[in-house]
Amino acid sequence: DFVLTQSPLSLPVTLGQPASISCRSSQSLVHRDGNTYLNWFQQRPGQSPRRLIYKVSNRDSGVPDRFSGSGSGTDFTLKISRVEAEDVGVYYCMQGTQWPTWTFGQGTKVEIK
Amino acid sequence: EVQLVESGGGLVQPGGSLRLSCAASGFTFSSYWMSWVRQAPGKGLEWVANIKQDGSEIYYVDSVKGRFTISRDNARNSLYLQMNSVRAEDTALYYCATVHTRSFDYWGQGTLVTVSS
Repeated sequence: DFVLTQSPLSLPVTLGQPASISCRSSQSLVHRDGNTYLNWFQQRPGQSPRRLIYKVSNRDSGVPDRFSGSGSGTDFTLKISRVEAEDVGVYYCMQGTQWPTWTFGQGTKVEIK
Repeated sequence: EVQLVESGGGLVQPGGSLRLSCAASGFTFSSYWMSWVRQAPGKGLEWVANIKQDGSEIYYVDSVKGRFTISRDNARNSLYLQMNSVRAEDTALYYCATVHTRSFDYWGQGTLVTVSS
């Protein structure tokens, strides 16, 4: 199985400052079709998860452009350019490359300092 | 507007059974793969099962194989999860979700399953 390891697991940030979360896979997430199915989800306190990014760097509709995804192969990053209060929550990476057993990272808790 | 509304959760004894439902609206249900994803209290997310548009392909995480059954009724725009022989470790909030580009783009609010005697 593909294991996703996120770091850090806890990320205290200052409002208006940037934040970065890493996600590393135990195997390359490049699918034989050429796509890399690495996704990022946000889960605000008490809410359902919401997808932010799919296929490494594609923002979902309605996602603020302060969120960006990058990376390739086994190393990926979610960046928040300027953290806002509404960004507090847990962020998960998730791989859809290995069919059919999709896996999530452990989650990174973002909180305001 | 896409809506996914789960129901059927509750308290069940170890070894018992429960059937979860997910009512879908706001999109063409029969055109999408669907999934169940769960989250144990205070823990992370775990994919549980996928079902193809016509139900012809179904996949499960190893920990529920032989115990859980995912199904759908496209005429009723509904997704189901039959949970048998439940264990304490099945205690979780169960979400139904639409599948898009090998990921989950819409999620319901979840239904809580508690396995306890």
